[in-house]
Amino acid sequence: AQSVSQHNHHVILSEAASLELGCNYSYGGTVNLFWYVQYPGQHLQLLLKYFSGDPLVKGIKGFEAEFIKSKFSFNLRKPSVQWSDTAEYFCASASGGSSASKIIFGSGTRLSIRP
Amino acid sequence: GAVVSQHPSWVICKSGTSVKIECRSLDFQATTMFWYRQFPKQSLMLMATSNEGSKATYEQGVEKDKFLINHASLTLSTLTVTSAHPEDSSFYICSASWYSTASGNTIYFGEGSWLTVV
Repeated sequence: AQSVSQHNHHVILSEAASLELGCNYSYGGTVNLFWYVQYPGQHLQLLLKYFSGDPLVKGIKGFEAEFIKSKFSFNLRKPSVQWSDTAEYFCASASGGSSASKIIFGSGTRLSIRP
Repeated sequence: GAVVSQHPSWVICKSGTSVKIECRSLDFQATTMFWYRQFPKQSLMLMATSNEGSKATYEQGVEKDKFLINHASLTLSTLTVTSAHPEDSSFYICSASWYSTASGNTIYFGEGSWLTVV
């Protein structure tokens, strides 16, 4: 069955620290992978997505993610975080290769940045 | 502008009553839409897949008779929470997906609907 796992529930970092949030998915076929951010009291915002091609995906706000097929992983990274990156981060996958593909979300990782 | 529109944004209803939430696809015909609920500080949980012209497909543990989904047209799906109880209070979000072979799935989310049952 399709699933997405985020093992870091709460990450606390200081400003300027490097960030890596883990995401593992389970689906062997065609898969789209996404990272969303949700700032307090706001809606989901797409950071980046992977479908095909270069496994290193650049997103907005300085985020990037690397698709490693052999590890079923799609970890999110940022070299230097800012206080404004404090938010909830969700990894998601869509499988099946159509508009009817189910989109499943991971449990989310809360990121807290100390000023 | 919004590609997927949800209404109402906020609704308060009395326990035991039913409330309907609408999800409209504005820019494309969506044969499939999805309904999620999100509790505070938690992730989006897929409730059901809304299929145009046929029955919705519910995820395990979601009560079909409680959460009625109707997708009568290519641009409108509705979620009706029947006999609502306080534990149904949550943030409900719909989405529609556009797929292309070039870029895969592009997901459009509605603005969400806050339901409070008192």
